[in-house]
Amino acid sequence: DAGVIQSPRHEVTEMGQEVTLRCKPISGHDYLFWYRQTMMRGLELLIYFNNNVPIDDSGMPEDRFSAKMPNASFSTLKIQPSEPRDSAVYFCASSLGTGMVAKNIQYFGAGTRLSVL
Amino acid sequence: AQSVAQPEDQVNVAEGNPLTVKCTYSVSGNPYLFWYVQYPNRGLQFLLKYITGDNLVKGSYGFEAEFNKSQTSFHLKKPSALVSDSALYFCAVRDGARGNNRLAFGKGNQVVVIP
Repeated sequence: DAGVIQSPRHEVTEMGQEVTLRCKPISGHDYLFWYRQTMMRGLELLIYFNNNVPIDDSGMPEDRFSAKMPNASFSTLKIQPSEPRDSAVYFCASSLGTGMVAKNIQYFGAGTRLSVL
Repeated sequence: AQSVAQPEDQVNVAEGNPLTVKCTYSVSGNPYLFWYVQYPNRGLQFLLKYITGDNLVKGSYGFEAEFNKSQTSFHLKKPSALVSDSALYFCAVRDGARGNNRLAFGKGNQVVVIP
């Protein structure tokens, strides 16, 4: 398996522009997570999905952020409008939830490095 | 609430010496504990996990970790460090309650192995 695939790897945009980050989870995985990593805050969970349904979006910072999972093999994280403080590395991860889901390992993509000027 | 503390920002160790990266956790139920490693410009990679059973857990690349319930710790160890072990290491915990699938990560420890 190719692992979790994220695109683009790098994104540079200007303040106010819309940004869309993309993620393809590992085939067969039914949980998908979006994280943000910054020096100040470390790794923060933004939102996660189970079977394409958002389960917990309490980490989404504000209404400018939105995430969708239209099918089992694709998810997007959108920021509109973007601001300089959104600059970070955004990671997508997926896992297979069977039985006691808390045991299962999350597999991470390589991340998207976002710079908002 | 679930949380993890990694008290040291950076761990420096000479190549060939033992490596220890410290982690303490806080959960209300049973802890499910994980260690991940992040190399530059890469995503996090799973190293090992503790769910139940033997307190000493062995993982990838010669790493192991010991679960200590009384001290609420899950320190990562390697008997002989390699220069290639230089990376950022994250400890993470989940409360074992059914339906909880949130991982709480520590802030990470930068490990520098000196040749």
